[in-house]
Amino acid sequence: GNSVTQMEGPVTLSEEAFLTINCTYTATGYPSLFWYVQYPGEGLQLLLKATKADDKGSNKGFEATYRKETTSFHLEKGSVQVSDSAVYFCALSGRNTGNQFYFGTGTSLTVIP
Amino acid sequence: EPEVTQTPSHQVTQMGQEVILRCVPISNHLYFYWYRQILGQKVEFLVSFYNNEISEKSEIFDDQFSVERPDGSNFTLKIRSTKLEDSAMYFCASSVRAGGFSGNTIYFGEGSWLTVV
Repeated sequence: GNSVTQMEGPVTLSEEAFLTINCTYTATGYPSLFWYVQYPGEGLQLLLKATKADDKGSNKGFEATYRKETTSFHLEKGSVQVSDSAVYFCALSGRNTGNQFYFGTGTSLTVIP
Repeated sequence: EPEVTQTPSHQVTQMGQEVILRCVPISNHLYFYWYRQILGQKVEFLVSFYNNEISEKSEIFDDQFSVERPDGSNFTLKIRSTKLEDSAMYFCASSVRAGGFSGNTIYFGEGSWLTVV
């Protein structure tokens, strides 16, 4: 079946620290992988995506590489800011998932000055 | 930038009452969805809707749930007789193409937090 497992939170970092949020997946076929972010009081917003193995998605200093061999899509940022405080969701979809996106539980990140 | 809007942002209801959650998808989108997240759990798919009918639904979406697009802009989720376990954040979403299509992005609203007491 299809599922996403992501790192449990909450995560608290100091400003300018390095961020990694782990995400692994199980899927039939070759899914597309996504990171969505939810800032306080807002909806889920697409942060980045990758549609095939070895693709790297990037946006706002965040990066994630689609690793088929380890079935992973870890989110990284070299230097976090207070404004990055949010909940981050890893997700997958693909031709074998019907109309569905499969999400992880979300990881809450708080960045302190 | 166009966005999906949802109302209400928070609703408290008594067990057994009917609840309607409302959504206005992005105007040129053709596929509409409801997802929910029970506190501390995964965001779960409920239903997708296309061409005025349900295209897919999960096992969560039982007979107490229904969806409707009553006019050209609104998309609603009705819970006929709420249970305590229906307490969750409900997200509406929309997309131009089907959600599973390779690389397709779906756009979410802010969510409606439903508390059943």
